[in-house]
Amino acid sequence: GAGVSQSPSNKVTEKGKDVELRCDPISGHTALYWYRQSLGQGLEFLIYFQGNSAPDKSGLPSDRFSAERTGGSVSTLTIQRTQQEDSAVYLCASSLQGSSYNEQFFGPGTRLTVL
Amino acid sequence: SQQGEEDPQALSIQEGENATMNCSYKTSINNLQWYRQNSGRGLVHLILIRSNEREKHSGRLRVTLDTSKKSSSLLITASRAADTASYFCATDANMDSSYKLIFGSGTRLLVRP
Repeated sequence: GAGVSQSPSNKVTEKGKDVELRCDPISGHTALYWYRQSLGQGLEFLIYFQGNSAPDKSGLPSDRFSAERTGGSVSTLTIQRTQQEDSAVYLCASSLQGSSYNEQFFGPGTRLTVL
Repeated sequence: SQQGEEDPQALSIQEGENATMNCSYKTSINNLQWYRQNSGRGLVHLILIRSNEREKHSGRLRVTLDTSKKSSSLLITASRAADTASYFCATDANMDSSYKLIFGSGTRLLVRP
């Protein structure tokens, strides 16, 4: 079946603009994660969705970042008033259930560049 | 601060040689995972080792876990050029938020043909 897909693959924006990043998880996966990866670095946890439970937003770096997951499937990560330090690759992952014992399947990422 | 830290940061070996990467972490874990990232296939899960396991094998991969030292190692035997990638270890953030993975900064492996 299809893997995790993300769009757009690349996004260049000007400082101060809002951006929306989209993630389509694997069908049937109840858990969805967003991560951020800066150049040459590891992944930084941003937010976690599990079914209809309240999301874990503890990794969001500021209130300019928000995310939602509609109908338990597609998720959108929104960054308002983008700053240059927001430039990174944003990765989405899904897993069958929300447990670290479940393999996370990653999408190809969205490379965000804020000029 | 990061939970997992890989060592070395970069490693260059000849095809056919073995590659060993190490990971250290700070708090108690449920399990530790290794992921590979390259430009072709993105980030891919390689292997998971539970906290009550000491060693695990998968093909040419061998993972060890020493919970007393809070460290793990990933050994790739008989390396191939296709193994060129960045390798990350990931651990549970803590026992309560066991769904949350904390990734290290990775080891960049170059396998020379």
